[in-house]
Amino acid sequence: AIRMTQSPSSFSASTGDRVTITCRASQGISSYLAWYQQKPGKAPKLLIYAASTLQSGVPSRFNGSGSGTDFTLTISCLQSEDFATYYCQQYYSYPRTFGQGTKVEIK
Amino acid sequence: EVQLVESGGGLVQPGGSLRLSCVASGFTFSTYSLSWVRQAPGKGLEWVTNIKQDGSEKNYVDSVKGRFTISRDNAKNSLYLQMNSLRAEDTAVYYCAKDHYGASDYWGLGTLVTVSS
Repeated sequence: AIRMTQSPSSFSASTGDRVTITCRASQGISSYLAWYQQKPGKAPKLLIYAASTLQSGVPSRFNGSGSGTDFTLTISCLQSEDFATYYCQQYYSYPRTFGQGTKVEIK
Repeated sequence: EVQLVESGGGLVQPGGSLRLSCVASGFTFSTYSLSWVRQAPGKGLEWVTNIKQDGSEKNYVDSVKGRFTISRDNAKNSLYLQMNSLRAEDTAVYYCAKDHYGASDYWGLGTLVTVSS
């Protein structure tokens, strides 16, 4: 199975900050990568698929980039509603695997 | 509006069985692959299984192979997960999710499965 490793596992940030989360695959996955946001007690929400395609209705402050093994999710100007846990997921091969998650907390 | 509603979770003893259901609405059910994803309490997301539009292809994570079976009834807009030989480590919230170019764009609210004696 392809291992997905996110960094950092958690960090604190302030509203208005630019934040970046990294996801690394244990082998090349082309651009078959998605990013999700999850808030406590809620289902995950798709933010980005195909590494850089913004899902309909997702604010443009979210940006995804990368291909192969290294990917990033950038939030250009953190808003209060963005404090959550973020997961990457590869869908290049089965089993589809998620990263361990990155929790973004309020500083 | 797309909706996915899971049911069938509950408390079951180790070695027992449960059948989860997911009823969908708001989209053409028969034209999308569907997945089950689970989340153990306080843990991250784990993809469990998926099924193609016509049920011809099914994939599973190794930890559930031979114990879980995914199926669908396109006439009833329903997805199922038959879970046998349940273990404590299967305890989780189980989500059904609709496929979107390989990712999952709509998720249900989840149903909690607790495996404990």
